[in-house]
Amino acid sequence: GQQLNQSPQSMFIQEGEDVSMNCTSSSIFNTWLWYKQEPGEGPVLLIALYKAGELTSNGRLTAQFGITRKDSFLNISASIPSDVGIYFCAGRISGTYKYIFGTGTRLKVLA
Amino acid sequence: EAGVVQSPRYKIIEKKQPVAFWCNPISGHNTLYWYRQNLGQGPELLIRYENEEAVDDSQLPKDRFSAERLKGVDSTLKIQPAELGDSAVYLCASSLSLAGGLDTQYFGPGTRLTVL
Repeated sequence: GQQLNQSPQSMFIQEGEDVSMNCTSSSIFNTWLWYKQEPGEGPVLLIALYKAGELTSNGRLTAQFGITRKDSFLNISASIPSDVGIYFCAGRISGTYKYIFGTGTRLKVLA
Repeated sequence: EAGVVQSPRYKIIEKKQPVAFWCNPISGHNTLYWYRQNLGQGPELLIRYENEEAVDDSQLPKDRFSAERLKGVDSTLKIQPAELGDSAVYLCASSLSLAGGLDTQYFGPGTRLTVL
């Protein structure tokens, strides 16, 4: 099935470092969602973006809806061990209610 | 407020057996989604309901998969007969689809299916 390009695939970082990940698409989206998934659980919504250029924060997390409407990034500042997990982006194709998910970024934080 | 509820959380069956998954969406959410998540990948849509109507089932393997959402609330997803390749996590999500396009999905914990 169709999946968005998400990078990096995985990251090993030291506690306290900042993290950045992004998703790109060849399609135009009208919504971007960012999720975190931990083992054995469903994805948990972190941030929702609805307008091109929108920049939204949720605690140490910040995400932006790209101006071209084909990309989005998620930043995590001052990472902590509980940030460990898989982060997924999901974009909603313009004119539809269909979401396409990214391939995931696996984050590991070393204390 | 309760989140999306799914059961069972785990299911192990032999190939060719039938299996069913149940989902109770967030109260008031009119849209319900079933996704399949293979190991190491993101979720992939199987079917989307608006109220009781299946509005997108283009990726549902209809020869063996079926779904229903009676009364526009709870939903069941069935596989009959199951194949080895059906082993995956089956996720249910719901959203309140509003006029103007604002729509945010919330996921349940998933059902991990293992077909032996």
